[in-house]
Amino acid sequence: GNSVTQMEGPVTLSEEAFLTINCTYTATGYPSLFWYVQYPGEGLQLLLKATKADDKGSNKGFEATYRKETTSFHLEKGSVQVSDSAVYFCALMDGGSQGNLIFGKGTKLSVKP
Amino acid sequence: EAGVAQSPRYKIIEKRQSVAFWCNPISGHATLYWYQQILGQGPKLLIQFQNNGVVDDSQLPKDRFSAERLKGVDSTLKIQPAKLEDSAVYLCASSLGRGKNTGELFFGEGSRLTVL
Repeated sequence: GNSVTQMEGPVTLSEEAFLTINCTYTATGYPSLFWYVQYPGEGLQLLLKATKADDKGSNKGFEATYRKETTSFHLEKGSVQVSDSAVYFCALMDGGSQGNLIFGKGTKLSVKP
Repeated sequence: EAGVAQSPRYKIIEKRQSVAFWCNPISGHATLYWYQQILGQGPKLLIQFQNNGVVDDSQLPKDRFSAERLKGVDSTLKIQPAKLEDSAVYLCASSLGRGKNTGELFFGEGSRLTVL
């Protein structure tokens, strides 16, 4: 079945450090891929997405590239801020889905000033 | 624009008791989802509605969980009787609907259930 695996957390970085959160997936066909973020005390919200191979999703300085050959969708940011502290979830929606998302376990990021 | 509203935010019950959670999606969103998020795991779909019809309830433990969306707007998720392993955050989400599914779901803040 379809699944998403993302790196274990928590991840602790200093402000302005480079961030990578790894995400790999297993799916039949051509899924769409997403990163959702959950800030403290808030609901999950879409951060970025990519719908086909080699697409790059970007938002708020974060980027992720859909790599079909490695079945990966790693999240990156060149310089993190304290306000980026949150839990990040990688997710996929398969081509036949009614819109349902399959999520990874989440990676907690803490950014220290 | 108002977001997805959920209540209650927190609930503590004894095992074998019952509990109900309410969700009001974003106005105009035809699709409504209930997800269960156990501590340390990602959200898992319990049930998906399109208007007032069920699209997917394959992962809903139907012996104890039930959900309805009678008028195609707000929804209620019920657990009866609760077990210890039902302790989780119950997330409601909505999206525009079938044919327009972009994977962008709008989530509420969740209802945290503790079963003692």
